[in-house]
Amino acid sequence: AQKVTQAQTEISVVEKEDVTLDCVYETRDTTYYLFWYKQPPSGELVFLIRRNSFDEQNEISGRYSWNFQKSTSSFNFTITASQVVDSAVYFCVLRGNGGSQGNLIFGKGTKLSVKP
Amino acid sequence: DAGVTQSPTHLIKTRGQQVTLRCSPKSGHDTVSWYQQALGQGPQFIFQYYEEEERQRGNFPDRFSGHQFPNYSSELNVNALLLGDSALYLCASSLVMVPGSPQETQYFGPGTRLLVL
Repeated sequence: AQKVTQAQTEISVVEKEDVTLDCVYETRDTTYYLFWYKQPPSGELVFLIRRNSFDEQNEISGRYSWNFQKSTSSFNFTITASQVVDSAVYFCVLRGNGGSQGNLIFGKGTKLSVKP
Repeated sequence: DAGVTQSPTHLIKTRGQQVTLRCSPKSGHDTVSWYQQALGQGPQFIFQYYEEEERQRGNFPDRFSGHQFPNYSSELNVNALLLGDSALYLCASSLVMVPGSPQETQYFGPGTRLLVL
């Protein structure tokens, strides 16, 4: 079975604080892909990043960084110097390799509130 | 470059009715997937269409059906609506590089909010 767990339901920070969103996944596939999506109050899911299971390099994009560790099945997302515009629900997503689970498996999301 | 579009944005129906939701994929994309997102939950995969056929299906009853047209646009139909069908319905498009491969990124539309009374 494939599963994504985002243990943090809600996080509240003050602007300029750093915040890390945790994600733990389960899969038996040897090849899989992990994604993070952002869902602002408007509802549209915005793609942030995709990582392949065979590439454990961490990635940084501006204030965003991602830490992928296969040994602990984690794919954590850090926002540095958070801003009010970062307020949204963030989803960690897994996609396995074929079968009936070939499509996106979402975690329950972490709601991030950044206060001025 | 047009993104994924969905219509209508909002819809109110009563129990037992039928509804059709529409999706146009991002320019250059050939695959459409549909998801249901209940309030406070992550999206749940309904089904995916590629080459005008349903390729994969999630754990949804036959009341949920779909169609893909030659221009890659898609419809989601739900029959005999239940109160529990109230949700945000999201359409996502992607470009299949290798059929069955999970590597492509799906891009989402703004969704249709369906309320069943």
